[in-house]
Amino acid sequence: AQSVTQPDIHITVSEGASLELRCNYSYGATPYLFWYVQSPGQGLQLLLKYFSGDTLVQGIKGFEAEFKRSQSSFNLRKPSVHWSDAAEYFCAVGSKTSYDKVIFGPGTSLSVIP
Amino acid sequence: DTGVSQDPRHKITKRGQNVTFRCDPISEHNRLYWYRQTLGQGPEFLTYFQNEAQLEKSRLLSDRFSAERPKGSFSTLEIQRTEQGDSAMYLCASSAGQDNQPQHFGDGTRLSIL
Repeated sequence: AQSVTQPDIHITVSEGASLELRCNYSYGATPYLFWYVQSPGQGLQLLLKYFSGDTLVQGIKGFEAEFKRSQSSFNLRKPSVHWSDAAEYFCAVGSKTSYDKVIFGPGTSLSVIP
Repeated sequence: DTGVSQDPRHKITKRGQNVTFRCDPISEHNRLYWYRQTLGQGPEFLTYFQNEAQLEKSRLLSDRFSAERPKGSFSTLEIQRTEQGDSAMYLCASSAGQDNQPQHFGDGTRLSIL
């Protein structure tokens, strides 16, 4: 069965510092992988996605993620965090064989210190 | 650009009452999804439509829950005889008909059961 773990429940970084949010997945075949961001009281916004090809994926707002099959990981990175990046971040895995059903991780809450 | 729209944004009701939520997907999207999100968790898949056909339902969707998409455009999610445990954010998402298309989320309907 598909599953997603995000080991860090909450991360605090200083503005301007680099960021890495961890994501590990369990899936039998090649997964579709996503990172979404959610601000309080809002829906989810897609940051980036991986389906195939280049394992380093560029997204919106200066985010990138790297797919590492050997480690079953899809970590999200940003070189310099802005205060507006404070939000909840969700990693997700999708399955082409299940009508694009997407399984979400529990999320990592990011706080940014000015 | 009109995104996914959900109505109402917030619903407060007494236990035992019925509630209905509406989702209007992005107009050219033929796939529509419902998710439930509780505090501190990622969204959990509830059900999925392709056009007007409901193709998959989660075990989370008890008999008290019903979803429809009668004309393949907007969708409704009804919860009958609401219980305390139904308190959550209900998210709707839509995607285009081709594979590998990401889901676009609405801002959700927050249900509070008194």
